[in-house]
Amino acid sequence: DTAVSQTPKYLVTQMGNDKSIKCEQNLGHDTMYWYKQDSKKFLKIMFSYNNKELIINETVPNRFSPKSPDKAHLNLHINSLELGDSAVYFCASSGEVGNTIYFGEGSWLTVV
Amino acid sequence: AQSVTQPDIHITVSEGASLELRCNYSYGATPYLFWYVQSPGQGLQLLLKYFSGDTLVQGIKGFEAEFKRSQSSFNLRKPSVHWSDAAEYFCAVGGPSGYSTLTFGKGTMLLVSP
Repeated sequence: DTAVSQTPKYLVTQMGNDKSIKCEQNLGHDTMYWYKQDSKKFLKIMFSYNNKELIINETVPNRFSPKSPDKAHLNLHINSLELGDSAVYFCASSGEVGNTIYFGEGSWLTVV
Repeated sequence: AQSVTQPDIHITVSEGASLELRCNYSYGATPYLFWYVQSPGQGLQLLLKYFSGDTLVQGIKGFEAEFKRSQSSFNLRKPSVHWSDAAEYFCAVGGPSGYSTLTFGKGTMLLVSP
């Protein structure tokens, strides 16, 4: 069974559209994250949630809105997509403080 | 602020040869250190991690890494590289306090020649 799963894996959409990426973890972890990997493969934290509460919100446009309906899910909604939003978005989760962060397989978003 | 430097953007190694990927970190306290691997079109897989204790840690797929506090380094090694090891390798640093996130290096692309 996949520990951290995210859908869709590939998404091609036009500028100005609104899209969502869903993430679920079955590890029983309390903390979930969204990371963005740009075209140069650089990985950067976007958001972190702990038990459905926002903990970390890096400098991300407010067009990006995470939603955590329960601690096993952390979805990412993006409004008014721009070309620069094209990237790979990774969901991740971790258990105890400082414990290992496990990543999903990534969602490849292409905005045309 | 924490940071990670991977000085080599890409490295080419002959199959069967040994490998060392460099990683230097900056962190204000005892760091938690990780190596992840990303194959083309794939997600991130954890190779190994260091939290405390023995400074030489063993990971999956025959990889190991050594934590050297004096050099602020956490280099990844493998004695004999296989063609399937060709991938992007990321070093990351995090901390034990709060809901710490990982700060990643920019990655090193490993190419394996026949």
